[in-house]
Amino acid sequence: GENVEQHPSTLSVQEGDSAVIKCTYSDSASNYFPWYKQELGKRPQLIIDIRSNVGEKKDQRIAVTLNKTAKHFSLHITETQPEDSAVYFCAANTGTYKYIFGTGTRLKVLA
Amino acid sequence: DVKVTQSSRYLVKRTGEKVFLECVQDMDHENMFWYRQDPGLGLRLIYFSYDVKMKEKGDIPEGYSVSREKKERFSLILESASTNQTSMYLCASERLAGVSEQYFGPGTRLTVT
Repeated sequence: GENVEQHPSTLSVQEGDSAVIKCTYSDSASNYFPWYKQELGKRPQLIIDIRSNVGEKKDQRIAVTLNKTAKHFSLHITETQPEDSAVYFCAANTGTYKYIFGTGTRLKVLA
Repeated sequence: DVKVTQSSRYLVKRTGEKVFLECVQDMDHENMFWYRQDPGLGLRLIYFSYDVKMKEKGDIPEGYSVSREKKERFSLILESASTNQTSMYLCASERLAGVSEQYFGPGTRLTVT
């Protein structure tokens, strides 16, 4: 079946460093790729998304890149802060109700 | 500004009990979802509803049913709870399928003993 592989499963960085999380999808018809952040005990919240007609999107310290040929997309967080510590989920969608989620990355930002 | 609410944050039920989890959204969204979240498995879709009384099975519908009698409310029903249904259950809604943000509820952590 369709799947999204997400790496790494855990990531520790020093405050101020950058963090990169990568996802690879299998369905070439996927055209919408959201990233969600879930803080401990809280609901997942959308932090950035990208559509297949765009290669990169930035929002302050967060950016997402998409390589359609290789079928992978990545989340980049620069100048990490302790409040960036959370679980991050990627997802892929083909324009239907069906989202395929990655298994999550637990990011720890060490002060 | 709370947009998606779930009836309980924590729930403990016994094996064989019938369990109701309720979700309400105030954004007039057509689409509503029930997911199950387990460590190392990410979010898996149980059921989806695209309109009142309309539903589609997701990846893991076995042992679950749903009800959507009103646009803003989507209920997940465990007909006979089993220990392997111990999990975090997340409800979500979205305006347009596959192209807009999904808004998640706070989750219900269900323990079946």
